[in-house]
Amino acid sequence: AQKITQTQPGMFVQEKEAVTLDCTYDTSDPSYGLFWYKQPSSGEMIFLIYQGSYDQQNATEGRYSLNFQKARKSANLVISASQLGDSAMYFCAMREGLWVTGNQFYFGTGTSLTVIP
Amino acid sequence: NAGVTQTPKFRVLKTGQSMTLLCAQDMNHEYMYWYRQDPGMGLRLIHYSVGEGTTAKGEVPDGYNVSRLKKQNFLLGLESAAPSQTSVYFCASSYSGGTGTYEQYFGPGTRLTVT
Repeated sequence: AQKITQTQPGMFVQEKEAVTLDCTYDTSDPSYGLFWYKQPSSGEMIFLIYQGSYDQQNATEGRYSLNFQKARKSANLVISASQLGDSAMYFCAMREGLWVTGNQFYFGTGTSLTVIP
Repeated sequence: NAGVTQTPKFRVLKTGQSMTLLCAQDMNHEYMYWYRQDPGMGLRLIHYSVGEGTTAKGEVPDGYNVSRLKKQNFLLGLESAAPSQTSVYFCASSYSGGTGTYEQYFGPGTRLTVT
């Protein structure tokens, strides 16, 4: 089974509008972390936001927020007030067993976001 | 502070040739990782290391070997390159366990083509 599922291969959003990128995850470990990364066309991977499984509140970082629904195992990324520079590939990732040595990160297949002027 | 660097940035190999990709980090991170990125498949973990002298297999380890002789360096080797290994390779590093974000810091990538 896929550990991380991103069901939207491509998304379009109008500039200045908000957009939600979906991510669901699969784990039986009670301790895990969820991450979102941005990959612009230049290729580098940029860390955006993190949510720990025990965090009580949804994470926010500037225009990015993570809609964490633990029971549904979803960790959707919300980008508010989209900008042209937000056009990129977005990856959801998970690390299981936060306090256990040697655990892997698992990445989804990504969502390509295009911001339309 | 250079972060995570990768050498080389581009390489073309013929089938059967060997090469080593070098990853270096200056953040004193315990954990280091090698991924490959292929279109439509996201990032897949090849091998990773939780400390100097230790390595472990990831999701797609076949055809690759790694070594972590120094904490700051993580080498990825292809002994006999195959066209299926044409990909973009990313190295990453992170802090070790405990509370906190410990996100992965990525290098710029190496684009490898095997003909």
